[in-house]
Amino acid sequence: DTEVTQTPKHLVMGMTNKKSLKCEQHMGHRAMYWYKQKAKKPPELMFVYSYEKLSINESVPSRFSPECPNSSLLNLHLHALQPEDSALYLCASSQEWGNYGYTFGSGTRLTVV
Amino acid sequence: AQSVSQHNHHVILSEAASLELGCNYSYGGTVNLFWYVQYPGQHLQLLLKYFSGDPLVKGIKGFEAEFIKSKFSFNLRKPSVQWSDTAEYFCAVINTNAGKSTFGDGTTLTVKP
Repeated sequence: DTEVTQTPKHLVMGMTNKKSLKCEQHMGHRAMYWYKQKAKKPPELMFVYSYEKLSINESVPSRFSPECPNSSLLNLHLHALQPEDSALYLCASSQEWGNYGYTFGSGTRLTVV
Repeated sequence: AQSVSQHNHHVILSEAASLELGCNYSYGGTVNLFWYVQYPGQHLQLLLKYFSGDPLVKGIKGFEAEFIKSKFSFNLRKPSVQWSDTAEYFCAVINTNAGKSTFGDGTTLTVKP
């Protein structure tokens, strides 16, 4: 299995909703990442988990809350989002943190209304 | 702070033309370098990577890139493009000290049949 699987593929949520994005990989990778990508823009790093511990938080607002329950799973909990948070949220993993190419998931297209 | 610059925002070529996409980075320390491709409606895929050794690296689908340390460059090349190469191409750099990745703004390649 050489994939990163993200669910759901599309999500529409209101500004008062609470929702979660899920990411799963079974490649034995020990680093997992959340990126945000706006249309026609490069991915922007949000969080890095290495060996299930949060290693980098790129000053992301607290309305985004990451969680790494085990080495194969990465969640992103969403609460009280703003319309400007609408974007493609990408999960990626790599063998180790920092020095390996990433395998990206297909992303969750999030629309905040 | 590290940054990645892709000078060509949009490149239009005819099939069989040769391709070279520029990528320059600014960081004085050790870096790992990557090119990713994003086909329309698909997720990011790793094209090739450079960690050390031979500065000319070969990737998938006939792509190659050359790392020139003195010029802080990692340009992507392909001798003869195909219509199916139409996509967005991102150069990325990982600072091996901090483990942080930075993506360039991307280059949109359109290949006319």
